Amino acid sequence: SQKIEQNSEALNIQEGKTATLTCNYTNYSPAYLQWYRQDPGRGPVFLLLIRENEKEKRKERLKVTFDTTLKQSLFHITASQPADSATYLCALGGATNKLIFGTGTLLAVQP
Amino acid sequence: GAVVSQHPSWVICKSGTSVKIECRSLDFQATTMFWYRQFPKQSLMLMATSNEGSKATYEQGVEKDKFLINHASLTLSTLTVTSAHPEDSSFYICSAREKETQYFGPGTRLLVL
Repeated sequence: SQKIEQNSEALNIQEGKTATLTCNYTNYSPAYLQWYRQDPGRGPVFLLLIRENEKEKRKERLKVTFDTTLKQSLFHITASQPADSATYLCALGGATNKLIFGTGTLLAVQP
Repeated sequence: GAVVSQHPSWVICKSGTSVKIECRSLDFQATTMFWYRQFPKQSLMLMATSNEGSKATYEQGVEKDKFLINHASLTLSTLTVTSAHPEDSSFYICSAREKETQYFGPGTRLLVL
């Protein structure tokens, strides 16, 4: 069955450093991959979408890579700030309308 | 752009009553909306896909008679939890699809006493 794994339940980093979050998947060939941010008690907020034929996507301090051979996406936040602290979800999409979500990684940026 | 609203944001009800949650896409039309449920510290669990003008498609294990979905227009989908029980208490989130991206509402916290 399809499986998505996101790295470590919680990631603690120092303000100003680069946070790197990992999303690995198996038994699936997504046409695109998306990253969302979710704050406690709120719905997810869309951040970035990257398609299977794209290697890298950037948006301000965010960078996403997509390696379909390794079946992995990396999500980077450069110059991290305490306000970046949240849970980050990766989601895979393909031929159907549905998205398959990972369990999320809780990022805590310490001042 | 791509804003989705949800109402109410929270609701407390007695066991046995029905609760309706509305999901609206404010600045775009969505032929497809989705309803999710999320338990504490867990990821989103897709309950059903709401299709404008047709019946919803439910995920395995989700009772369609328990969770009634209506998608009467291109900007509104409703989820009605019928005869709610304490085990239905959860965080319900809707999303509306624009191209490949799903935009989520802020969620509805349901507490059934």
